[in-house]
Amino acid sequence: QVQLQESGPGLVRPSETLSLTCTVSGGSISGYYWTWIRQPPGKGLEWIGYIYYAGNTNYNPSLKSRVAISVDTSKNQFSLRLSSVTAADTAVYYCARVDDPNWFDPWGQGTLVTVSS
Amino acid sequence: DIQMTQSPSSLSASVGDRVTITCRASQSISKYLTWYQQKPGKAPRLLIYAASSLQTGVPSRFGGSGSGTDFTLTISSLQPEDFATYYCQQSDSTPFTFGPGTKVDIK
Repeated sequence: QVQLQESGPGLVRPSETLSLTCTVSGGSISGYYWTWIRQPPGKGLEWIGYIYYAGNTNYNPSLKSRVAISVDTSKNQFSLRLSSVTAADTAVYYCARVDDPNWFDPWGQGTLVTVSS
Repeated sequence: DIQMTQSPSSLSASVGDRVTITCRASQSISKYLTWYQQKPGKAPRLLIYAASSLQTGVPSRFGGSGSGTDFTLTISSLQPEDFATYYCQQSDSTPFTFGPGTKVDIK
C-alpha cells in the first residue's frame, strides 16, 4: 500500500526557510493531489496547501505569502518550503494524499520542526 | 473560511460506553465532512469520509451521520484502543479546516 515519509531539518533558525520533502512509496505520485498539514505541539491541525501531480497548487491564505509546494514526479516526491519562519511555525509537519473529494489518507508519520536560534 | 467547532472538547468514558461527538460547521458543507482519530505521537487516521462512509479497515462500532452544518461521530461500544483525540474536517472548500478536537479518555 502507499506509504509517505517526511524528511528534512528538525531545526530551523528564525527568518530562514523551512524545507521538507515527502517521499511516496508503494504507488505512483501521478494522478493524485498531495497535501501538507501541520500541528503545533499540543494543538490542533492546520491545512497548509496541496499540489496536483501536474503542478497545480492551492494554499491556505493564512500562509500563502510564505509557502510553496512543488512536485518531482521522477523521484515520486513533493516538497514544502515555508519562508521567514518564526517560533509560531514550530510544529509537526505531515504530508498526506488527498482522496476525492478532499479527505486525507494515508498520512506520513510526521516530522517535528522547531524554529529556534 | 469555514469554521468548525466540536463538542465536547473532552470526555471521560468507560469501556463499553456509547460515545457521541458533535461537529458543527459555520455554513453548510453538504456531506463533505471527514472524521479522524489521533493517538499521542501518531499521525491522524481516517475513520469516516463523506459524513457517514466508513473507511476500509475501520471497525463497525464507529459511525457517522449528519449533513449541512451538524454532524455526529458515534462509537457504539468504546474499546480500550479507542481512547484518543477525534477531529472533524470540512472537505467542502479551501482552505480545508479542522475542528479543535475532542479528547476521549478513560473514566
